[in-house]
Amino acid sequence: GQQLNQSPQSMFIQEGEDVSMNCTSSSIFNTWLWYKQDPGEGPVLLIALYKAGELTSNGRLTAQFGITRKDSFLNISASIPSDVGIYFCEGNAGNMLTFGGGTRLMVKP
Amino acid sequence: NAGVTQTPKFQVLKTGQSMTLQCAQDMNHNSMYWYRQDPGMGLRLIYYSASEGTTDKGEVPNGYNVSRLNKREFSLRLESAAPSQTSVYFCASTVTGQSNQPQHFGDGTRLSIL
Repeated sequence: GQQLNQSPQSMFIQEGEDVSMNCTSSSIFNTWLWYKQDPGEGPVLLIALYKAGELTSNGRLTAQFGITRKDSFLNISASIPSDVGIYFCEGNAGNMLTFGGGTRLMVKP
Repeated sequence: NAGVTQTPKFQVLKTGQSMTLQCAQDMNHNSMYWYRQDPGMGLRLIYYSASEGTTDKGEVPNGYNVSRLNKREFSLRLESAAPSQTSVYFCASTVTGQSNQPQHFGDGTRLSIL
């Protein structure tokens, strides 16, 4: 099936830092979605992107749909402790749904 | 306020035992999905049901069967559990199966096969 490369796989953050993660693919997608998963729960939608080049914000989160339709990135500004969790990208092309491997965000003690 | 409900939340099985994971959604969604989540591998689609009465294989269907009992319910069955099926299983639903629909997930079933 289609592959989505999500990076980084994990990262430690200091409270207040900005965070950036991305997903890339060799395939074109019609929709990019970003989810967050808290421990013991299912993923929850953060941002949905529907057009190439689209830049969308949700509070401290900003995501962009790459102009080539093969990539997307998610930025978190001024991170706080409750940002910890696993972030997933999803690429959607017709009937094909593909998830990235996840980025695990942890806070430096 | 329920959304997608999965039962059970945890289960331990012995190799060769059978088990059905239940999923129900109360959002009147047409499409439902079963995923497994393994460390570092994201979510992999096992089976999906685009609408009531239809089911299709996803990326990793071997060893599983599904039933779309009605519009609300979509169950996943392991006929003869194997240790390789130890995973966290998520059910999800969308309004339709079209590409612009975000998914609503349950809280998962943590399954261990000994």
